[in-house]
Amino acid sequence: QKEVEQNSGPLSVPEGAIASLNCTYSDRGSQSFFWYRQYSGKSPELIMSIYSNGDKEDGRFTAQLNKASQYVSLLIRDSQPSDSATYLCAVYFGNEKLTFGTGTRLTIIP
Amino acid sequence: DAGVIQSPRHEVTEMGQEVTLRCKPISGHNSLFWYRQTMMRGLELLIYFNNNVPIDDSGMPEDRFSAKMPNASFSTLKIQPSEPRDSAVYFCASSFKGGSVEQYFGPGTRLTVT
Repeated sequence: QKEVEQNSGPLSVPEGAIASLNCTYSDRGSQSFFWYRQYSGKSPELIMSIYSNGDKEDGRFTAQLNKASQYVSLLIRDSQPSDSATYLCAVYFGNEKLTFGTGTRLTIIP
Repeated sequence: DAGVIQSPRHEVTEMGQEVTLRCKPISGHNSLFWYRQTMMRGLELLIYFNNNVPIDDSGMPEDRFSAKMPNASFSTLKIQPSEPRDSAVYFCASSFKGGSVEQYFGPGTRLTVT
């Protein structure tokens, strides 16, 4: 069974610090990885996609992929209160579906 | 560009009633996904379509649930009869098969069955 695991948190980070969110997955052959942000009462919003080993930066967000260790992470620099949300990791296992983790709830403390 | 559109946004119904949720995918997308989200079970895939054809409905919980996609721009998820344990937020998402597998979600329908 294809699985995606995340620490459910909550993860509390002071404003201005770096928030680090981690995700592990079960299938070494996975090729596509995604981070979604979900505010309370809203739908998941795609914020990052990563397909190859290494880092991918977009503004204050950096996604990191290590296929050998089967983990993907999301770093949020200069955390803001508006970053408080649940972050969902999703992995494409090649069967036309995304498998989602249960999400990590992040709280940025002013 | 319009994103995924869902209606209604909120639905409150009594146990035993029929509920129909509606979704319009992003124009040009040819894959459509129905999800259910609860606190206990997280985000669950119920069924997905490619080019209007149901591909995998293994996530549909019971025969009370059915989904259709009569054309490329419209899909329905029906629950008949509804039960209190069906209370959840139901999301529709779409993507373009043949390109990136990124999925884009609609705003969801919050269903409450009393």
